Amino acid sequence: AQSVAQPEDQVNVAEGNPLTVKCTYSVSGNPYLFWYVQYPNRGLQFLLKYITGDNLVKGSYGFEAEFNKSQTSFHLKKPSALVSDSALYFCAVRDSRWNTDKLIFGTGTRLQVFP
Amino acid sequence: DVKVTQSSRYLVKRTGEKVFLECVQDMDHENMFWYRQDPGLGLRLIYFSYDVKMKEKGDIPEGYSVSREKKERFSLILESASTNQTSMYLCASSFPGANTGELFFGEGSRLTVL
Repeated sequence: AQSVAQPEDQVNVAEGNPLTVKCTYSVSGNPYLFWYVQYPNRGLQFLLKYITGDNLVKGSYGFEAEFNKSQTSFHLKKPSALVSDSALYFCAVRDSRWNTDKLIFGTGTRLQVFP
Repeated sequence: DVKVTQSSRYLVKRTGEKVFLECVQDMDHENMFWYRQDPGLGLRLIYFSYDVKMKEKGDIPEGYSVSREKKERFSLILESASTNQTSMYLCASSFPGANTGELFFGEGSRLTVL
């Protein structure tokens, strides 16, 4: 079965420090991996994706993610956190059983950036 | 910009009522989705549709049905609401044929069933 796991319910970081939000995946075949962000009382917004190519993927708002095939991970990173980055972050994998954009989401990690 | 509009941000219904959640997108997307979001469980797919009048069950379709009579509109129906359907419901759509996984989400509909 295909799945993603986000092992941390919450990540706390001081403003200006680097941040990492972890995600591991389990898929058959090549993974299509995604990160989405949800600000309070809002829908989800696409941040970035890995389909193929460079293992380091750059996305919106200064975020990047590193695809690591040997560790089956796709961690979200940012060199310098902002208070405004505080939100709920979801990792997702495309369900390869369907030739469509059906995504399987993780349980989410709440990022809290303190001033 | 792509806009996905969910008709109601907040609803309160009673057990046994029939509930309609409406979603409209304005970018001619073929794919549309209904997810529910619960703390600690993330997003779980209820139903999706890849064309008008086409629908496929997701991971948790029990107690729900959907309707897609027009390309821009995807409705989620709770035939007889129950308290365990209290949740945040998110509609999403994606570009036709791209299969990129870039979903565009609405703001969500928070349903409380008493």
